Amino acid sequence: AQSVAQPEDQVNVAEGNPLTVKCTYSVSGNPYLFWYVQYPNRGLQFLLKYITGDNLVKGSYGFEAEFNKSQTSFHLKKPSALVSDSALYFCAVRENTGGFKTIFGAGTRLFVKA
Amino acid sequence: ETGVTQSPTHLIKTRGQQVTLRCSSQSGHNTVSWYQQALGQGPQFIFQYYREEENGRGNFPPRFSGLQFPNYSSELNVNALELDDSALYLCASSYGTSPSYEQYFGPGTRLTVT
Repeated sequence: AQSVAQPEDQVNVAEGNPLTVKCTYSVSGNPYLFWYVQYPNRGLQFLLKYITGDNLVKGSYGFEAEFNKSQTSFHLKKPSALVSDSALYFCAVRENTGGFKTIFGAGTRLFVKA
Repeated sequence: ETGVTQSPTHLIKTRGQQVTLRCSSQSGHNTVSWYQQALGQGPQFIFQYYREEENGRGNFPPRFSGLQFPNYSSELNVNALELDDSALYLCASSYGTSPSYEQYFGPGTRLTVT
């Protein structure tokens, strides 16, 4: 069965420092991996995805994520955090066998302090 | 380009009642999925509609049903409401059913069941 784990409920970083939000996954086939961000009273916004190819994918607002097949991880990163990056981040997985179901992690709240 | 819209924004219902939530997909998107997001959790997949037919369903009982219309807008109907149905209901649209497509989310409908 598909599953996604986000081991940290909250991540705290200072503005200007690098940030990492962790995600590990489990699927029976090859994964399609996504990161979404949710601001208060808003729906989820797509940040980036890994489908195939280069393990380092770049997305919106300076975010990037590294796919690691051996560790079944897809950590979200940003070289220099902004206060405006403070939000709730969700990792999600789909199987590439034609599956329609998207499994989301429980979310990690990122707090960037000025 | 018009984004995903949902109505109403908020709704309060009594246990046992029925509710209908509405979603207009993003322009050009023919696939709509519905999710339930309980407080402090990630979105849970309810079902997906493509070309007016349900083509995938998560672990939700039959009292959760839906429709998709020729213009790709969609409705989520929930019968015999229970207190645990209180949640944020998110609609998401995409270009098609391929698992590689990212989804575009609406702002959600906050349902409270008393």
